[in-house]
Amino acid sequence: GAVVSQHPSRVICKSGTSVKIECRSLDFQATTMFWYRQFPKQSLMLMATSNEGSKATYEQGVEKDKFLINHASLTLSTLTVTSAHPEDSSFYICSARGEQHLNTEAFFGQGTRLTVV
Amino acid sequence: GENVEQHPSTLSVQEGDSAVIKCTYSDSASNYFPWYKQELGKGPQLIIDIRSNVGEKKDQRIAVTLNKTAKHFSLHITETQPEDSAVYFCAASWGGSYIPTFGRGTSLIVHP
Repeated sequence: GAVVSQHPSRVICKSGTSVKIECRSLDFQATTMFWYRQFPKQSLMLMATSNEGSKATYEQGVEKDKFLINHASLTLSTLTVTSAHPEDSSFYICSARGEQHLNTEAFFGQGTRLTVV
Repeated sequence: GENVEQHPSTLSVQEGDSAVIKCTYSDSASNYFPWYKQELGKGPQLIIDIRSNVGEKKDQRIAVTLNKTAKHFSLHITETQPEDSAVYFCAASWGGSYIPTFGRGTSLIVHP
């Protein structure tokens, strides 16, 4: 149980376009979802935390207008990279937890490799 | 905020040897310490965790130890196999909110 799925796993887009990444909890209701960014050979950097039905809380230094997060249902959160540029190329990972998972780990998706050309 | 230091950044061992990865944390309020394994191009997967009321936990070939006084915790992998090769991340968090702070990762290479 506790499966989190991300889509797409890889995406290449042109500079200036927007890209949407989906994060779904397949077998539980995700009350909270987290979005991370990971540069090559580096650790995971938390971008934002989203609770279902409310606005996301962004970490310091993360542009909320550039990285739009929507958590409209208990099984789906989306991250939209708007007006993408080559420096936005990165590995984006979501994680999720449900009420039954409080005080335990959150479950990670398989990640999305974004390449902006 | 919490700060997690992880060492070494790279660890190369021969198949069958043991591997040890060490982490320190700064916030004494942290009470949950998970370890993740990340294979190339994939998301992190939880492999073992420990809470602050426990000093050691073992699951087959992997074990984790926690020293609350010194604020450090370690991952031990015995009888390493090539499929153990991956990047391992430690993390620390306060269990109530669970927003983990990750270490920088250790790239473990197990040579057959």
